[in-house]
Amino acid sequence: DAKTTQPTSMDCAEGRAANLPCNHSTISGNEYVYWYRQIHSQGPQYIIHGLKNNETNEMASLIITEDRKSSTLILPHATLRDTAVYYCIVPGDSSYKLIFGSGTRLLVRP
Amino acid sequence: GAVVSQHPSRVICKSGTSVKIECRSLDFQATTMFWYRQFPKQSLMLMATSNEGSKATYEQGVEKDKFLINHASLTLSTLTVTSAHPEDSSFYICSASDWDKGEQFFGPGTRLTVL
Repeated sequence: DAKTTQPTSMDCAEGRAANLPCNHSTISGNEYVYWYRQIHSQGPQYIIHGLKNNETNEMASLIITEDRKSSTLILPHATLRDTAVYYCIVPGDSSYKLIFGSGTRLLVRP
Repeated sequence: GAVVSQHPSRVICKSGTSVKIECRSLDFQATTMFWYRQFPKQSLMLMATSNEGSKATYEQGVEKDKFLINHASLTLSTLTVTSAHPEDSSFYICSASDWDKGEQFFGPGTRLTVL
């Protein structure tokens, strides 16, 4: 699996955009980037995934650099309920086996 | 998104007993399910990959005789913690893959406390 690196923690003000970076410099051409989040004492929640193009859904946007070595998850208008640990994962093979790193602990401030 | 349920959500048992946790995909068929364990303030640790109709594949360091996994149907996988001890107390989470969508959905987790 391609290794990912994320900041340990971040914070942002409620209503502002939260931009969470992830480095995956060893990613190969056919590997997807997945983002999940985990709110305290709950199972992880799928957010978004992408391969090369930028992706957007009702939860977030995913911006992947042209060389695919890094990506940014954007929560356009963060709310207090977005406080969670965010995980950037590159599964690496067709088994969809997800290996969780430490993630980024996002705190949304009132 | 798709729904994955777990039962029970919380269980307390005595040391030496066995505990079974169920994981169900409610609105899609999951040929592959995964089991994770999470200790307080730590990340999820993958324990095993469960494939319908075949033996589970365990991650290094996970005892297959202690954590029995059965994936008897496309919508149900069970994890049995045998002869549980206090150090097995943890948050156990399952997930199921929806191949059509290329997504993996997680259950809400089961908190196991072994006294």
